[in-house]
Amino acid sequence: DTAVSQTPKYLVTQMGNDKSIKCEQNLGHDTMYWYKQDSKKFLKIMFSYNNKELIINETVPNRFSPKSPDKAHLNLHINSLELGDSAVYFCASSPGQGPFEKLFFGSGTQLSVL
Amino acid sequence: AQSVTQPDIHITVSEGASLELRCNYSYGATPYLFWYVQSPGQGLQLLLKYFSGDTLVQGIKGFEAEFKRSQSSFNLRKPSVHWSDAAEYFCAVGGSGGYQKVTFGTGTKLQVIP
Repeated sequence: DTAVSQTPKYLVTQMGNDKSIKCEQNLGHDTMYWYKQDSKKFLKIMFSYNNKELIINETVPNRFSPKSPDKAHLNLHINSLELGDSAVYFCASSPGQGPFEKLFFGSGTQLSVL
Repeated sequence: AQSVTQPDIHITVSEGASLELRCNYSYGATPYLFWYVQSPGQGLQLLLKYFSGDTLVQGIKGFEAEFKRSQSSFNLRKPSVHWSDAAEYFCAVGGSGGYQKVTFGTGTKLQVIP
């Protein structure tokens, strides 16, 4: 069983469209994250939820809206997609929210905005 | 603010040779330090982490890292590299704000030649 699974793996869309990426973890973890990896492989945190509560919200455009229906799921909705949103988006989870927690990553969603 | 520098963008080693990947960090207090590995098309996997105690940390897949406070470094080593070690390696530092909010380095791509 895949521990952290995200769908779709690839997403190709036009500028201005709205799209969603889904993430699910079956590890029983309390905390989930969204990371963005740009074309230079730079990985940066976007959001973190602990038990459905938003705890980290970096300086991300408000076109990005995370939603956590329960602690096993964290979805990412993106409105009005722009060329600069093209990147690989990783979902991750950890047992707790502390700074020493091990992150478990999904395999990524490659988003291409044309 | 915390930051991480990985000076080597790309390293090539022969199979069976030893490996050292460099990582320098900037952090005001005692840092939480991590090394992650990313295989092509995959998410990141934790190799090892350090917060306190013995400054030489053992990880998975035969990797180890040494924390040197005086040099603000946390270099990753392996005595004998296998072809399957070819991947991208990321150093990360955390601890700010009490949450799991690591800052990743830009990565070092390891190529292994026969």
